Amino acid sequence: NAGVTQTPKFQVLKTGQSMTLQCAQDMNHEYMSWYRQDPGMGLRLIHYSVGAGITDQGEVPNGYNVSRSTTEDFPLRLLSAAPSQTSVYFCASSTDRDNQPQHFGDGTRLSIL
Amino acid sequence: GEDVEQSLFLSVREGDSSVINCTYTDSSSTYLYWYKQEPGAGLQLLTYIFSNMDMKQDQRLTVLLNKKDKHLSLRIADTQTGDSAIYFCAESPLTSGTYKYIFGTGTRLKVLA
Repeated sequence: NAGVTQTPKFQVLKTGQSMTLQCAQDMNHEYMSWYRQDPGMGLRLIHYSVGAGITDQGEVPNGYNVSRSTTEDFPLRLLSAAPSQTSVYFCASSTDRDNQPQHFGDGTRLSIL
Repeated sequence: GEDVEQSLFLSVREGDSSVINCTYTDSSSTYLYWYKQEPGAGLQLLTYIFSNMDMKQDQRLTVLLNKKDKHLSLRIADTQTGDSAIYFCAESPLTSGTYKYIFGTGTRLKVLA
């Protein structure tokens, strides 16, 4: 059982480039979320989805787009990368059944030069 | 506003007990979580506690919840070098939906041999 899979694990971009971070889960979870982790700031919610076709903004959505065309996949797009987006990105999924906690992927470490 | 606070660093000697503290602000939170992050890895769920509980024990881990003071603690008995990691406290406010976690900044635990 793979759980939450994120690709790539590492990426270096130049300012202005675009990129899509991939996230897939095989647990049939309704909820999926993207967080970014920065030193001394914990994890902050970027975007989230409560089901296929439904997305909403979190705390720090600017510069990022998401879509949820299937239950399994929740890609995060950087349209024009900026150095301030250098961070570690985590995808998480959960279900509302039995109040189960969120499961996290291993993260994507992204550097913008 | 919603906020979760943790001290940034804790250092203990191997074999001693570690106590990591967390304060939160949203009294509507139904669940409170502890996650562990080892270097270069994702977040691993350690344990969680429902808001109507005062204590939960799971092997070497003991979680204490003081709802009146909005204070959560994680005690690790017989701390080992493998426990060195960053520990995140997170709350799940009922008003935000159970899939929108608010994370603390994380406490970096260093275990000295």
